[in-house]
Formats: sequence, structure tokens, C-alpha cells
Amino acid sequence: DVKVTQSSRYLVKRTGEKVFLECVQDMDHENMFWYRQDPGLGLRLIYFSYDVKMKEKGDIPEGYSVSREKKERFSLILESASTNQTSMYLCASSLTTALNYGYTFGSGTRLTVV
Amino acid sequence: KNEVEQSPQNLTAQEGEFITINCSYSVGISALHWLQQHPGGGIVSLFMLSSGKKKHGRLIATINIQEKHSSLHITASHPRDSAVYICAVMDSNYQLIWGAGTKLIIKP
Repeated sequence: DVKVTQSSRYLVKRTGEKVFLECVQDMDHENMFWYRQDPGLGLRLIYFSYDVKMKEKGDIPEGYSVSREKKERFSLILESASTNQTSMYLCASSLTTALNYGYTFGSGTRLTVV
Repeated sequence: KNEVEQSPQNLTAQEGEFITINCSYSVGISALHWLQQHPGGGIVSLFMLSSGKKKHGRLIATINIQEKHSSLHITASHPRDSAVYICAVMDSNYQLIWGAGTKLIIKP
């Protein structure tokens, strides 16, 4: 079974802390994505990656950075966490960007910044 | 800019009722996804369609490309169907545009 694993389900961090959210997929997928999900706003794309060491900004990259040193791992970094980054973070992967390929999602990390 | 609109935002129904969730979009698309998110966060892809109709168990998804509208139906609804249902479209740039979701509660 294909799997996307996010390292933490729940995380509480203090304002100003550096936060790492880890995502690992075991499907040899090329593409990986980080989204945040907030009530009433749907999913918003933060960053995505089409290949190792490659990254592209999504719709809301401010305050975030990413790292993809290995194909299976895509990390989201909050350099200095702020309370407005309290959200549900979802990682996803897909085989290619070609039409009609589905996405596989992780279970999400609910981050609270206090 | 709400390029993907879902309705209703919230829906509460009794077990056994026929459920319809609607999705309208304003961009040209290559495919439309329906996804389910249970409490706790995990998202599961239900359907991906670009024309016509698909059925899986008690779930049916339809799309009308001319009208830029899709519906997700649940027959004989059950409390375990309670979840957030999300519509997402893939536009001509292969970008996914997400609806805000419909929160469905089925009461026993």
C-alpha cells in the first residue's frame, strides 16, 4: 500500500522557535507538496518539489522554507514560528504532474504555536 | 478569488438520507477530484473524473464540463460517512485549486 508518513500528528511550539515538519513517502514519487489547511479556506499550497534538491514556491511560501535532500523525504521548516502559523499541515505526493494522476496524502500535523 | 465553490458548507442529515454535495468552478480544468477527510486529518481520494459519472459503492460522482459543475452523492448515508468532503480541480497549468470543503454529519 502506498504511504505518506508525517512524523508528528500533534505539535505545540513556542513563538520564535524553529520548527521542522517531516514527510516521507515510500512510493518513489517524483512530486511532493506541503499544504496548510485552515477553516473556511481549504488547502493552500506552501511549497512543492518536482525532484531532489528542487523546490518551487506555492501560493503562501512566506515564513516557510523546505528541504528535499532525498527523493523520499520533504521537510517543511518554519524558521521562526509565529501564532498565525497555527494550522493543520498536510504533506502529499504524486507520481508525476501528468493529467489524471492522483495525490496521496499524509495524515496531517496539527501545529499549535503559543 | 473563489475559483472553486462548494455548497453547502455544512450539512447535517439523518442516517439513510440521500446526500448531495455540489462543486462549481470557474476555470478550465483537466480533472476534478473528490476527497474525504475524516476527523484526525487524513485525506483520502474518492474520485478523479474529467467527464460523465463514476460510482464506487454508495458514492456517486458526476461532472458536467459545459456547466462547470460536479456533484458528489451518497446513497443510504451512514454515520461513518461523517467527514469533510473536498472538491479540487486541476487547472490547465496542472495546479490543484481546492474548495473549502463541506462538513457532513450523519446522525443515527
